[in-house]
Amino acid sequence: NAGVTQTPKFQVLKTGQSMTLQCAQDMNHEYMSWYRQDPGMGLRLIHYSVGAGITDQGEVPNGYNVSRSTTEDFPLRLLSAAPSQTSVYFCASSLGWASGVNTGELFFGEGSRLTVL
Amino acid sequence: KQEVTQIPAALSVPEGENLVLNCSFTDSAIYNLQWFRQDPGKGLTSLLLIQSSQREQTSGRLNASLDKSSGRSTLYIAASQPGDSATYLCAPPSDKLIFGTGTRLQVFP
Repeated sequence: NAGVTQTPKFQVLKTGQSMTLQCAQDMNHEYMSWYRQDPGMGLRLIHYSVGAGITDQGEVPNGYNVSRSTTEDFPLRLLSAAPSQTSVYFCASSLGWASGVNTGELFFGEGSRLTVL
Repeated sequence: KQEVTQIPAALSVPEGENLVLNCSFTDSAIYNLQWFRQDPGKGLTSLLLIQSSQREQTSGRLNASLDKSSGRSTLYIAASQPGDSATYLCAPPSDKLIFGTGTRLQVFP
């Protein structure tokens, strides 16, 4: 089983460039989310989605854009990369969702390490 | 807003010891709580999921308990091994799914 697949695994950008981190899951999960992980800060939620066509902001949404046109895919777009966006990005998905709360087991991708120069 | 605290932040023990990792949270109206393991440079691997109707869950040498009334969960690791060395994170769900900063565990031979 593929589970949650993230691409690319590594990326180096220059300040001001844009790019898209891809996330796909093959488990028919409703809930998908993007986190960033920085040393000493733990995991912080960027954006999440509870189904196709539905997205919402997390804790640190500024500078990022998402869309959910299919159940399987949840791309994260960096509109104009800044050095502060240097981080490791994780995509996660879950089957369960009720009353605005994730209720299912959360599965993570392997991560995408982004460096912005 | 859900706040999550994990204690201790780091732990270094000899092989064979039984360990206790603690997770406390402020919002007890949770559906479930999940424990994860993260190896350096890797993603998060789910270890145990405790539904809100359960008080504990076991998998091999791991046992996790959940006390919603006190806002606490505990992960027990029995007979620790060097392969258990990793960072352990807990995540009680909320609308923003907040994670604790984790306990960094090192088990030496």
